[in-house]
Amino acid sequence: GAVVSQHPSWVICKSGTSVKIECRSLDFQATTMFWYRQFPKQSLMLMATSNEGSKATYEQGVEKDKFLINHASLTLSTLTVTSAHPEDSSFYICSAVGRGGVSTDTQYFGPGTRLTVL
Amino acid sequence: SQKIEQNSEALNIQEGKTATLTCNYTNYSPAYLQWYRQDPGRGPVFLLLIRENEKEKRKERLKVTFDTTLKQSLFHITASQPADSATYLCALEGYSTLTFGKGTMLLVSP
Repeated sequence: GAVVSQHPSWVICKSGTSVKIECRSLDFQATTMFWYRQFPKQSLMLMATSNEGSKATYEQGVEKDKFLINHASLTLSTLTVTSAHPEDSSFYICSAVGRGGVSTDTQYFGPGTRLTVL
Repeated sequence: SQKIEQNSEALNIQEGKTATLTCNYTNYSPAYLQWYRQDPGRGPVFLLLIRENEKEKRKERLKVTFDTTLKQSLFHITASQPADSATYLCALEGYSTLTFGKGTMLLVSP
């Protein structure tokens, strides 16, 4: 139980293009989803928190117009990196907290998406 | 400012020994603390959660302690195996979000 998937697992794109990353909770309802970014040998940095059906809350320093987050259903959240630049290259990881046979205190993480912007 | 410190140097131990990893924090009063395992190129996997009113928690070969006076958590893996080699992250709860330490890499040699 408590499986979270991400798609794609890796993506390479040209500078200036937009990339969408999907995060799905497969066997539970995700009332809250989180998006993190992790640079090599660094800790996970929280980018934003999204609750189903409402606007995401972004952490300080994260541009909401650049990192568009949509949480339209209880099982799906998407992160779109708009006009990506090489400095956006990173490992993006989502997590979910939910209900339906899972602990409400625990974040369940997806496998991550490696974004490389050329 | 809030700070979470985990040993940045890798911990090398021999198979069968007990590994002990440390997580220290300052300027936090977390309701709970969590430990995760992260393998290279993968997302973190939840291991254990310990609440502020709990001193110790166990799960199979894993043991976590939480000392809110010292502001420290210790994570132990007994009878370690090469398959336990990974980076272990501690994370503190605050305002419904988690803040992660940088993690400590554990290397268990046969």
